[in-house]
Amino acid sequence: GEDVEQSLFLSVREGDSSVINCTYTDSSSTYLYWYKQEPGAGLQLLTYIFSNMDMKQDQRLTVLLNKKDKHLSLRIADTQTGDSAIYFCAERIDDKIIFGKGTRLHILP
Amino acid sequence: NAGVTQTPKFQVLKTGQSMTLQCAQDMNHNSMYWYRQDPGMGLRLIYYSASEGTTDKGEVPNGYNVSRLNKREFSLRLESAAPSQTSVYFCASSGGRSSYNEQFFGPGTRLTVL
Repeated sequence: GEDVEQSLFLSVREGDSSVINCTYTDSSSTYLYWYKQEPGAGLQLLTYIFSNMDMKQDQRLTVLLNKKDKHLSLRIADTQTGDSAIYFCAERIDDKIIFGKGTRLHILP
Repeated sequence: NAGVTQTPKFQVLKTGQSMTLQCAQDMNHNSMYWYRQDPGMGLRLIYYSASEGTTDKGEVPNGYNVSRLNKREFSLRLESAAPSQTSVYFCASSGGRSSYNEQFFGPGTRLTVL
């Protein structure tokens, strides 16, 4: 079946690292994604990882993929107030992308 | 490049009224999608169109119809609106040159059904 699970809320102090976790169920996923949604806007692709990779780094973002456990994480280093948003984990299966419910990241001063 | 555009941005309907949400993309993408976003439910796929002339049901198609008018446009119709269809509706498209098939989203239509 197709299901993507992630926790709904995360609070982090400004300057600390944020780690958002996600699990998925379909082992035939080709790509896994992290999308960011700011208030009142649509989703924007933040980063992605191909299913045969286990890590991808892009400036402050690190994506880790454990294919055996079907676990994906997004680490944001040096979290800033501009990182406050909802983060969606998603997996691609054929023509469709299946989204998780989103994790709302709240930044504490 | 405007990307993905949606009209209207906001709409209030009475129960039983009908309306069509419009979506257009100028990126020459083959695939287009309609999602609804509800608090605590994330994004749920209503319908999608893998190419011009084809449409398929997603996770929550009941109460909706779609038309892939041409490669650029994909509309979503509510024939008889119900309060349960109060939501934010997002259109998306994909199919560019990138191998990872990013989906590009429109800004959303906020629909309230009274």
